[in-house]
Amino acid sequence: RKEVEQDPGPFNVPEGATVAFNCTYSNSASQSFFWYRQDCRKEPKLLMSVYSSGNEDGRFTAQLNRASQYISLLIRDSKLSDSATYLCVVNPNTGGFKTIFGAGTRLFVKA
Amino acid sequence: NAGVTQTPKFQVLKTGQSMTLQCAQDMNHEYMSWYRQDPGMGLRLIHYSVGAGITDQGEVPNGYNVSRSTTEDFPLRLLSAAPSQTSVYFCASSYSGQGVMSSYNEQFFGPGTRLTVL
Repeated sequence: RKEVEQDPGPFNVPEGATVAFNCTYSNSASQSFFWYRQDCRKEPKLLMSVYSSGNEDGRFTAQLNRASQYISLLIRDSKLSDSATYLCVVNPNTGGFKTIFGAGTRLFVKA
Repeated sequence: NAGVTQTPKFQVLKTGQSMTLQCAQDMNHEYMSWYRQDPGMGLRLIHYSVGAGITDQGEVPNGYNVSRSTTEDFPLRLLSAAPSQTSVYFCASSYSGQGVMSSYNEQFFGPGTRLTVL
């Protein structure tokens, strides 16, 4: 089992739709969680951190479910510009500098 | 600020050749790291550094060397290129935050180097 798993998609949605991605992680001691966005042939950029209480940034909502060991990202009112790959990132807290990236979920938003 | 810069953007090597991928950052970040990204596998950590003069291995260090003589620069050396090293390489930097190994801080990535080994 991979340490961090994501549905690769692609998710094809129309503009204005709501779409949700899940990401599961294997290490129950993991402490910090993030969503990064990566545009085609570009570098990853931080979209948002994921806090235990859940957090929202505009149209984006991130949640953490420690009991089931997954994090989620909800995008409301999808825009064409949301088309990208969304990377789930977990620090497994195994000591040292180690951040595990998921393989990413591809999103296409169509007009 | 230029942020994190990488050179070259593209490189083609023959098997057995060596080369150095350059990475520099002007944000005075303590942490720097090198990742490779392959289709369907996500980014994997090659080597990292928590400060000048300090480096350590990540998940996939074999075939690569690093050094950190200054805070700003963190070059990655391919000793003898192999086709399995064909990949996109990203350098990243971040603040150390509270504590020696804080992982709560945003990583800033360079634009990447696309390497093909024939």
